[in-house]
Amino acid sequence: QQQVKQSPQSLIVQKGGISIINCAYENTAFDYFPWYQQFPGKGPALLIAIRPDVSEKKEGRFTISFNKSAKQFSLHIMDSQPGDSATYFCAASMTGANNLFFGTGTRLTVIP
Amino acid sequence: KAGVTQTPRYLIKTRGQQVTLSCSPISGHRSVSWYQQTPGQGLQFLFEYFSETQRNKGNFPGRFSGRQFSNSRSEMNVSTLELGDSALYLCASSLGQTFGDEQFFGPGTRLTVL
Repeated sequence: QQQVKQSPQSLIVQKGGISIINCAYENTAFDYFPWYQQFPGKGPALLIAIRPDVSEKKEGRFTISFNKSAKQFSLHIMDSQPGDSATYFCAASMTGANNLFFGTGTRLTVIP
Repeated sequence: KAGVTQTPRYLIKTRGQQVTLSCSPISGHRSVSWYQQTPGQGLQFLFEYFSETQRNKGNFPGRFSGRQFSNSRSEMNVSTLELGDSALYLCASSLGQTFGDEQFFGPGTRLTVL
């Protein structure tokens, strides 16, 4: 049973455009929601993370929007660049445990 | 500061064999978590060690085991390998003193079971 559902599976965006990736969860005990970026041959790297006490968090071109009532959160990449082409994973964990439940990943391709 | 290192990077084994993977966390990090990444199942949590004790365990069979040493280095062992164990095994380290602190991933060990 997938605890975190992620969509779309793949995404193609023009350079300068906005990339949007969505995730949904069921377990209301989740209270930490990170996004990871993974390049081929590399391990995932933390991009940005949010906790449910805020509805939005922005770091540079990356923004997380969080909707607690809908149990959904999304990643927005503004001014997408070819160097952003990678696989993105949303994840969730809960207080009392460090294990992350990952979404299935979104392969982003930014076309020059 | 050196990142998380994993050895070996690539490994080929045959069914029925056993394998040991190693992970050296970032200096000062006391928590080490292991994940399995496959195209079909994605990233799945195996277990977490903190101060030489297993603190959390995922839903994997007992063939998967691990341990952590006093210097926080961790090893993961898979016995009686099956074809389905072919995967990228990732290790992540964190300070571990509070839950939800940032986890830093290593590059992984690519295991192929023939």
